[in-house]
Amino acid sequence: DTAVSQTPKYLVTQMGNDKSIKCEQNLGHDTMYWYKQDSKKFLKIMFSYNNKELIINETVPNRFSPKSPDKAHLNLHINSLELGDSAVYFCASSPQLGRVMNTEAFFGQGTRLTVV
Amino acid sequence: TQLLEQSPQFLSIQEGENLTVYCNSSSVFSSLQWYRQEPGEGPVLLVTVVTGGEVKKLKRLTFQFGDARKDSSLHITAAQPGDTGLYLCAGAPPYNNNDMRFGAGTRLTVKP
Repeated sequence: DTAVSQTPKYLVTQMGNDKSIKCEQNLGHDTMYWYKQDSKKFLKIMFSYNNKELIINETVPNRFSPKSPDKAHLNLHINSLELGDSAVYFCASSPQLGRVMNTEAFFGQGTRLTVV
Repeated sequence: TQLLEQSPQFLSIQEGENLTVYCNSSSVFSSLQWYRQEPGEGPVLLVTVVTGGEVKKLKRLTFQFGDARKDSSLHITAAQPGDTGLYLCAGAPPYNNNDMRFGAGTRLTVKP
């Protein structure tokens, strides 16, 4: 009964490949995120979706394409992987503005992507 | 430029000591959150502070939100090795509640 689950947990792939990371939340939240955590542990927001609609798209290369088939899922597809894409990618979800005052996020366990 | 600045970046102390970590910004937040992240795991929410000047306690952890809602602190009393982890503050600006940003974190090590 994991709240936010993402798969796979580990992903090792060669440069130039295309890969996807899946994320699902069973909390009934309307907002989902993708964050990238680099080797220095800095968590940087990549995308935010609210009710399947893209809300935030940070300066992320267009090789990264999020897809939200429904509000419980937010998948991340990465084309033409590069060495610098190696990091831990976290999916998260939070309640929608208007229903609660604050924006606690619930995180998945992360996907450690290694590009070789 | 980071929206949220955390200090110190690293902190190593002995079991039983007290410590305070800080989260500062030039921006106003409708609320701030504190998370703890352990190796191989995602961040886990510890507390949310909403009202300027608010103080919340979670066992040996005391969280305070600045009066102007621009900064927050986390104080740990009598630290234990189980407190070891990465402490992150996070917040979203009032004009965009979906834009949640994190500080760079304070990596705490408590030695037995």
